[in-house]
Amino acid sequence: DTAVSQTPKYLVTQMGNDKSIKCEQNLGHDTMYWYKQDSKKFLKIMFSYNNKELIINETVPNRFSPKSPDKAHLNLHINSLELGDSAVYFCASSQALAYEQYFGPGTRLTVT
Amino acid sequence: GEDVEQSLFLSVREGDSSVINCTYTDSSSTYLYWYKQEPGAGLQLLTYIFSNMDMKQDQRLTVLLNKKDKHLSLRIADTQTGDSAIYFCAVTTSGQNFVFGPGTRLSVLP
Repeated sequence: DTAVSQTPKYLVTQMGNDKSIKCEQNLGHDTMYWYKQDSKKFLKIMFSYNNKELIINETVPNRFSPKSPDKAHLNLHINSLELGDSAVYFCASSQALAYEQYFGPGTRLTVT
Repeated sequence: GEDVEQSLFLSVREGDSSVINCTYTDSSSTYLYWYKQEPGAGLQLLTYIFSNMDMKQDQRLTVLLNKKDKHLSLRIADTQTGDSAIYFCAVTTSGQNFVFGPGTRLSVLP
């Protein structure tokens, strides 16, 4: 009965490849997020998706694209992976913006 | 935009109290959260406080909010080794995204 789940947990790939990370929440929440956590543990919001409205952090390269097939899913697709994309990516969801967020376990992406 | 600051490291002895501090810049922030991240895991919501409150207590956790100074603190009483983790402060206002602090790495020494 995991609330927010992500797959895969680990992802190792080469530069230039395209990869996707999947996220699902069973909490009935309206808002979902993607965060990037770097090696120093700093958390940076990448996207929030609230009632089909996408709010993009302007510093995120357009190689990153979120895709939401329905309210319970928000996938992250990354094109032309670079070494600097190596990080842990967290999905989260909340009832609405500003409400408490519930996080998935994270996906550790390593680009070689 | 909002800026949230925390000390990066804190060490305490087992059984002592830990106090983790957070400062923020946006006086209109209305929702303030504390999250805990254990190694290799996601963030776990610990507690939260609304801006119309000064204090909230939940078992060993006490949150204090000083709106005038824009200062939030998390006190953990009787700190245990299982409390060793990174603690993130997050603030937001209605309809806005969270802004997270850099996290405070708490080490509990036996």
